[in-house]
Order: sequence, then structure tokens, then C-alpha cells
Amino acid sequence: DAKTTQPNSMESNEEEPVHLPCNHSTISGTDYIHWYRQLPSQGPEYVIHGLTSNVNNRMASLAIAEDRKSSTLILHRATLRDAAVYYCILRDPNNAGNMLTFGGGTRLMVKP
Amino acid sequence: GAGVSQSPRYKVAKRGQDVALRCDPISGHVSLFWYQQALGQGPEFLTYFQNEAQLDKSGLPSDRFFAERPEGSVSTLKIQRTQQEDSAVYLCASSLIGSDGNTEAFFGQGTRLTVV
Repeated sequence: DAKTTQPNSMESNEEEPVHLPCNHSTISGTDYIHWYRQLPSQGPEYVIHGLTSNVNNRMASLAIAEDRKSSTLILHRATLRDAAVYYCILRDPNNAGNMLTFGGGTRLMVKP
Repeated sequence: GAGVSQSPRYKVAKRGQDVALRCDPISGHVSLFWYQQALGQGPEFLTYFQNEAQLDKSGLPSDRFFAERPEGSVSTLKIQRTQQEDSAVYLCASSLIGSDGNTEAFFGQGTRLTVV
């Protein structure tokens, strides 16, 4: 499976934008880039996903590099409730199980 | 009940005891996944069902672990003769479609198993 590399942790101030990077240099042409987050004592929660074009939804934006070897999850205004572990995951539609393969993720800390 | 439901939320088992963990996926979801999450780690894949068929069980750590989804909806993860290293959070996820990278997965809150 193609792997992703993320910083172990990041800090942000409340109400400021946060840019969470992810490197995936071995991504294949058919892999989708998914982001999930996991709040304390909760199961992972879907945030956003994309293939080639940048994506926006009510939670976040996903900026995908032109060569698709990296992506950035953007939280436009961090709140205390955004403190979580953020996972960048490649999802291969050719994998019969299509399971999500989690790495270590980035622990985001938000300071008031 | 819009989300994935898991029960029990917490389970304490004595070493050697058998346990059964239940997952109620979102109605109509074809795919169902089980994950194991040790403290401070990301979730690790255990097994995958497409409807009632178990298509991948490569992540099950030993033959003490068994999962089933007999009618293609509710799934049960059973662990026989529990050991201390089985202590973890067990997560269930479901997804609408089988093989498609363009769909999201929905996770339950997990069952925290502690083996004493």
C-alpha cells in the first residue's frame, strides 16, 4: 500500500488557520486522498477526500499538489473542538477490501 | 440510529475468558471493517466483509480472533481465551459501497477491551 508521511504533532492558536501537511510520494494514479480525524475517546471521523482537484466542504479544504505527491488539509479557523489526531490516508479502489490504512497521524493541539 | 453502533462500550475480561463484540453498521452499507487500536497508535486493520462474505481477514492477529456477519448486517468479533495483549479499542466501520476509493467510511465509537 502507498504510504503517507505526516508530522507527529502541530500547534495552532484558536481562530487561526491551520495547514496540516501530508507527503505521499508513492501515490498511484488511482489512489484517492482521504483525511480522517479522531477526537479523544471517539472513533475516527471522515473529514474530506479528493483525487486531483482541490476540494472544499463545511469542515475543511483539501489542497492537492499538481503532481499529487503531497496534500494539505486546511482548517480555516481552528477551534478548541478541532484538537484531534488527523490522519492522511490513501484509498486504493483496486484493493478489493478498500480498507483504510492508518499511519501515526498528526496530533493537533489548539491553544485558546 | 443514523450511525454505526458498537456494544458494549467497555468490556473488562479476565485472562482466558472469551468475549464477543457487536457492531451494528449503517443500514444498507455493503462494506464492514474491524480495526484494533492500541493506546497511542493509529487503528490497525483486522478484517473486512462485503455483505456476508468475509473477503479479507489478513489482519487478524491469531486464530483466537474470529469475525462473522451472517446476514450481511450486524457483525460480531469474537476473541477466545483473551490475553493481556488483546487489550485495545476495537473499532467497527461501514461503507456504502465495496470497491471504490470515492466513498467515506463511518466509524463507531469503539469497544474498549481491558484484559486483566
